[in-house]
This record gives sequence, C-alpha cells and structure tokens, in this order.
Amino acid sequence: GIQVEQSPPDLILQEGANSTLRCNFSDSVNNLQWFHQNPWGQLINLFYIPSGTKQNGRLSATTVATERYSLLYISSSQTTDSGVYFCAAMDSSYKLIFGSGTRLLVRP
Amino acid sequence: GAVVSQHPSWVICKSGTSVKIECRSLDFQATTMFWYRQFPKQSLMLMATSNEGSKATYEQGVEKDKFLINHASLTLSTLTVTSAHPEDSSFYICSAPRLAGAYNEQFFGPGTRLTVL
Repeated sequence: GIQVEQSPPDLILQEGANSTLRCNFSDSVNNLQWFHQNPWGQLINLFYIPSGTKQNGRLSATTVATERYSLLYISSSQTTDSGVYFCAAMDSSYKLIFGSGTRLLVRP
Repeated sequence: GAVVSQHPSWVICKSGTSVKIECRSLDFQATTMFWYRQFPKQSLMLMATSNEGSKATYEQGVEKDKFLINHASLTLSTLTVTSAHPEDSSFYICSAPRLAGAYNEQFFGPGTRLTVL
C-alpha cells in the first residue's frame, strides 16, 4: 500500500517565523489532504489538494503529484498554529493513509 | 466545510462491558464511512470501512468480532467495542467523504475518548 512520510517530526518556532512542512508519498494518489489536529483531538481540514497550489490566509499548500510530494507553508506563525499537522493520501480504494505528523510548537 | 458528529465525546467503562460510538454526517449523505484509532502521540490508523447496506471491511489485524460496525443509514455509522478491556482504551475517530464527481474530500468527527478501567 501507499506509504506516507512527513518531515520534520517536530518543529519549534518563534512567533512570526515562517515554516515549510513536507509530505512524501510512495505511489500515485487520488487525493491529498492536509489537517491540523487541535489540542482536543479534532482534525481540521486545511487543504484538499491532489495537485497544484492553494492558499488560505497565512497557509498555503503545493502538491507536485508527478514527483509524489506535497508542501504546507505557514507564514507569520502564531501561537494558535501549535498542534499536530497531518497529511493524508487517498489510495485507489478511497482510503486515507496518514503520515506520522509534524508536531509544531510556536512560542510567544 | 461539511459537518460530522460523534457521540459520546468521551466514555469511561468497566472492563468487560460494551461501548457504542455513533458517527453522523449532518449535512450530507455518506454511503461509506471510516473508523480510525489513535494512540497518544501517534498517527491515525484506519480500522475499518463502514458500508451502508453491506458488511464492513476491516484492515489487517483488526478483530471484526471485537469492533462491530453497523452502517444503519446514509448518515449514521456505529462502532461497538465489545467486551472492552484496558488495551482498547484509545481515541476513536470517524470520517465521512463528501463526494461530487471526482471531488472526494473526507471530513472527520471530533472523536471519542474511551477509557476502560
């Protein structure tokens, strides 16, 4: 099955800094999604991005499907951005396979 | 975005009892829903696919007799943890895909934290 790898596993930023999170997947995928898991465990949908680039406020994402990776950019980070960021790739049977996540801490 | 609810949010039970968790898609229909399990500081692991009108399909290593899944309608799937034991304590999360042609985005419920004493 599809393997999904995320890097870095942990990231500490000072408020206001920018960061890039990476997601590599081992095979072609039907879909790729980015999520933010808040401290209560809720997964918040950030991007549905099988290919191309999208932006939403301070966040943007790019997926290069032919090279099997996706990037999540966070600009001008805020303490409320802290949490775990997951990417998940959808395989041919429409199952989402999750990466191991990037744990982000933004310090004031 | 689409809304998926779960009930209960948390449950504490004694070893040997059964616990039922409900997952509902509130503003769209879902013929398929998914159940995940997450241990502390780990990623989500897919347990099973819930199919409306047919049997659920389980991932390798997941005991179907331990985790009973029923997809009763186009908006409701239930997961029953039977004869729960402390090792079943975990965070259980459901998801439902909202489909529109090739568009297939999954939305997640808020999760259910199960503690078995």
